[in-house]
Amino acid sequence: EAGVTQFPSHSVIEKGQTVTLRCDPISGHDNLYWYRRVMGKEIKFLLHFVKESKQDESGMPNNRFLAERTGGTYSTLKVQPAELEDSGVYFCASSAFPGDSDTQYFGPGTRLTVL
Amino acid sequence: EDQVTQSPEALRLQEGESSSLNCSYTVSGLRGLFWYRQDPGKGPEFLFTLYSAGEEKEKERLKATLTKKESFLHITAPKPEDSATYLCAVLSNSGYALNFGKGTSLLVTP
Repeated sequence: EAGVTQFPSHSVIEKGQTVTLRCDPISGHDNLYWYRRVMGKEIKFLLHFVKESKQDESGMPNNRFLAERTGGTYSTLKVQPAELEDSGVYFCASSAFPGDSDTQYFGPGTRLTVL
Repeated sequence: EDQVTQSPEALRLQEGESSSLNCSYTVSGLRGLFWYRQDPGKGPEFLFTLYSAGEEKEKERLKATLTKKESFLHITAPKPEDSATYLCAVLSNSGYALNFGKGTSLLVTP
């Protein structure tokens, strides 16, 4: 079974540019999550989709971040315009619902560097 | 607010030297405590879920235990391939967001 995949693995952009990150969850997983780890800090929650609906976006830092999950399959996270403090590693995770004991399975992450 | 504190931040062990990693937590209502392993450049890899005080889970050289205030990850006779960052996270009854600690970086030398 394929795991959670993320694209790209790395992205380097200039301040003010736009970047779109993509996440493909495990097939059949209705729940999809975005997390972020900035340098020296712990992994922090950004938002949670159940199918195509945003269940919880309390962790989104500001309105420069836009997450979508059209059709309830893959998700994109767009940062526009990017700022220096947006640099970090963005992780996507997915879980089955109900069942599977709430276990979230993580992708390899996208390392974003804003110059 | 939920809080997760892991100690030590870093740990260096000789191969075969057993030790324990600590995860202290405060949460309004615990739905689950999760242990993950993370290798450099990779995402967190699920290890265990613990749900209630007194519960224990084992996998190869790893054993996780849970009390009402903390969890321990015991590593018995570690090998160099056990070197990684070990992350603890809690899930509360109020939602589905994992709340992570900063992790313990473990290095096992031959």
